[in-house]
Amino acid sequence: GNSVTQMEGPVTLSEEAFLTINCTYTATGYPSLFWYVQYPGEGLQLLLKATKADDKGSNKGFEATYRKETTSFHLEKGSVQVSDSAVYFCALGRLGNQFYFGTGTSLTVIP
Amino acid sequence: DAGVIQSPRHEVTEMGQEVTLRCKPISGHDYLFWYRQTMMRGLELLIYFNNNVPIDDSGMPEDRFSAKMPNASFSTLKIQPSEPRDSAVYFCASSLLLTGAGANVLTFGAGSRLTVL
Repeated sequence: GNSVTQMEGPVTLSEEAFLTINCTYTATGYPSLFWYVQYPGEGLQLLLKATKADDKGSNKGFEATYRKETTSFHLEKGSVQVSDSAVYFCALGRLGNQFYFGTGTSLTVIP
Repeated sequence: DAGVIQSPRHEVTEMGQEVTLRCKPISGHDYLFWYRQTMMRGLELLIYFNNNVPIDDSGMPEDRFSAKMPNASFSTLKIQPSEPRDSAVYFCASSLLLTGAGANVLTFGAGSRLTVL
């Protein structure tokens, strides 16, 4: 079947710390992989995506690389800011627009 | 484009009342999804449509829930009768199908926060 497992939260970091949120997936075929971010009181927004193995998605200083050999799509940022405090969702998308979301990881960045 | 538009943003109602949530997808998108988000269960897919036709409603929790998409620019999610355990944030999302392999980006609305007393 298809599923996404992501790191349990909550995660609390100091400003300028390095961030990693782990995400692994199980899928049939060749899915697309996504990271979405949800700020308080808002809907989910696309942060970045990758559509095939070895692709690197990047946006706003965040990066994630589609690793087929380890079935992973870990989210990283070199230096987090207070404004990055949000809930981050890893997601898998399959042909026909079937999507599978992880449970979300809450990040709090303190000054 | 104004994005996916949901209404109402907040709804407080009493148990037993009918609730109708509304969604206007992005023009030209041919997929529409309804999700429910709670602290306990996270993000759950309730139902999705392709070209106004329901494709998978296996996530709809009970017969009290129903969803319609009468045209490409409008969808409703109805709960009748509502119960306190239905309290959640309900999101609508839309997407355009990519040709070829893979899935396209989902664009979410801001959500409708439902509180059933």
